Amino acid sequence: GAGVSQSPRYKVTKRGQDVALRCDPISGHVSLYWYRQALGQGPEFLTYFNYEAQQDKSGLPNDRFSAERPEGSISTLTIQRTEQRDSAMYRCASSPLVGRVEPQHFGDGTRLSIL
Amino acid sequence: AQSVTQPDIHITVSEGASLELRCNYSYGATPYLFWYVQSPGQGLQLLLKYFSGDTLVQGIKGFEAEFKRSQSSFNLRKPSVHWSDAAEYFCAVGAGGTSYGKLTFGQGTILTVHP
Repeated sequence: GAGVSQSPRYKVTKRGQDVALRCDPISGHVSLYWYRQALGQGPEFLTYFNYEAQQDKSGLPNDRFSAERPEGSISTLTIQRTEQRDSAMYRCASSPLVGRVEPQHFGDGTRLSIL
Repeated sequence: AQSVTQPDIHITVSEGASLELRCNYSYGATPYLFWYVQSPGQGLQLLLKYFSGDTLVQGIKGFEAEFKRSQSSFNLRKPSVHWSDAAEYFCAVGAGGTSYGKLTFGQGTILTVHP
């Protein structure tokens, strides 16, 4: 597709379950970013990849959160043993180049609700 | 570490009036600055960016922003607001070096446009 695609758009799950959020970046974009956005707040950085390599995971809140991008294209953000405080909008973005600050192109996000 | 402050949580203007949204950043070196707009249920769309050079930058939809180093500001302006500009606006700063993939966002300003 033309833009960043995220799935599912909405995810409702019970506390304690694991969830996997998927991001398909713009074709040819080598850098991929994950952000979390709470209600009434701006996006907060989680992690990013250049190709398949995870460059910075300093924003992952704890070890229940992990991300991978095994073939340098689609990425999955996994949250294990979900808690209510994990409820938020999770946004993915991509950009075409590496090695410098660039505008990031965002998807529509996945709204995660933990019951 | 960099930070962004958007002092106004909510702004209301009449259609046709001028608009200025404030953004102040904190960063030790020359920042990379962005304005994004978010409409309900949609992703963030880039309005404009400042990397270097002319401190007055033009963006899409008739928006412009001015970088003022002495005031650590990057305010967004539009001379005449349209009802379709109602949305949430985010200012963001990017850093160079090894953290280039990480954008830091402000908490956003919600714009309401009255007819």
